Amino acid sequence: AQKVTQAQTEISVVEKEDVTLDCVYETRDTTYYLFWYKQPPSGELVFLIRRNSFDEQNEISGRYSWNFQKSTSSFNFTITASQVVDSAVYFCALTSPDRGSTLGRLYFGRGTQLTVWP
Amino acid sequence: DTEVTQTPKHLVMGMTNKKSLKCEQHMGHRAMYWYKQKAKKPPELMFVYSYEKLSINESVPSRFSPECPNSSLLNLHLHALQPEDSALYLCASSHAGSLNQPQHFGDGTRLSIL
Repeated sequence: AQKVTQAQTEISVVEKEDVTLDCVYETRDTTYYLFWYKQPPSGELVFLIRRNSFDEQNEISGRYSWNFQKSTSSFNFTITASQVVDSAVYFCALTSPDRGSTLGRLYFGRGTQLTVWP
Repeated sequence: DTEVTQTPKHLVMGMTNKKSLKCEQHMGHRAMYWYKQKAKKPPELMFVYSYEKLSINESVPSRFSPECPNSSLLNLHLHALQPEDSALYLCASSHAGSLNQPQHFGDGTRLSIL
């Protein structure tokens, strides 16, 4: 069974602080994909990053960086110098073969509400 | 602006009404999804269409009836809903046939059942 755990329900920081959102996953599949999505109050889930199970390279995109470690089944997300506009719910998600199909069934964590105060 | 467009953005309906939610995308995606999201919860998958055929139905009550009239459109027909069906309904699309393709979501329809 697939499972994604985001242990942090809510995080509050002050602008310009760095913040790390944790994500731990469980799967028995050797091929899987991990995603992070951002959901601002408007409701839309915004795709941020995808990582496949064979690529453990960390990635940096502007103020965002991701640390993927298969040894600990973690895919953590760090925002450097946070801004008020970063306030949102962040979801970590996992997709792996669904009953032999190639459809991308997403297994979401419960999300972390990040609030950045000015 | 999102590339997946959902209408209406808000909907209030009584338990005896019939209404439809609409979703449209022009990214050439052949997989389309309906999710239901309650407050402070992650989205829950309801239906998946692949190449305009229903591929996954997550045991959703029959008062929700999906329809995919063509590769760009996805509808969700609502009838005799219950108050517990009040939620944010999200549509998503992705390239079919490949697990690594991200799903792209619309803004959602906020549904309230009186």
